[in-house]
Amino acid sequence: EVQLVESGGGLVQPGGSLRLSCAASGFTFSSYWMHWVRQDPGKGLLWVSRINTDGSDITYADSVKGRFTISRDNAKNTLYLQMNSLRAEDTAVYYCARNTAAAGNWCFDLWGRGTLVTVSS
Amino acid sequence: DIQMTQSPSTLSASIGDRVTITCRASQSVSGWLAWYQQKPGKAPKLLIYKASALESGVPSRFSGSGSGTEFTLTISSLQPDDFATYYCQQYNSWFSFGQGTRLEIK
Repeated sequence: EVQLVESGGGLVQPGGSLRLSCAASGFTFSSYWMHWVRQDPGKGLLWVSRINTDGSDITYADSVKGRFTISRDNAKNTLYLQMNSLRAEDTAVYYCARNTAAAGNWCFDLWGRGTLVTVSS
Repeated sequence: DIQMTQSPSTLSASIGDRVTITCRASQSVSGWLAWYQQKPGKAPKLLIYKASALESGVPSRFSGSGSGTEFTLTISSLQPDDFATYYCQQYNSWFSFGQGTRLEIK
């Protein structure tokens, strides 16, 4: 089955760290750009970061730049998001998402079910 | 940053109705626009990309149109499974989403 499964969310204090994982299966993970997108009730969907197929091209949203690090292990078919210096406003459900293979299109054709990150003291 | 604004925020409709949701961009995004459907507790599902291209497996009652700054998602005949929240997303300049349109049963 083609799927993405996130893990690693939880409750963390402001200033703390958390590492999210996203396990891919059912498709050739190493052939796809991958993204992290988050969703909180107040602000809807927000793109967080993207990474190319071999990890050499990475981009972040301004709101997380310098605090979050995206990476991937193609041998393990896994995407990661290391989140440091967490703030209350980072509280959200975090989704990993696959970039569509339709050339030139930066939209997301496969999503995981999400993992909830809560930043609170 | 490009701001995406959807209207209406909530839409009440009945089975069999034709409904249209509008998405406006704060500046031109050419045709680089996608539409997603999201049900409670689930991840978004891609419906339309490049403004009007139907994603594989999506029913043909869904259609998209528009270019530049104004886009529409149309459902030609509402089915029970269509009641959900719909989001637009531009990808002309990085990525940003609309705030969502909740489609509810009248």
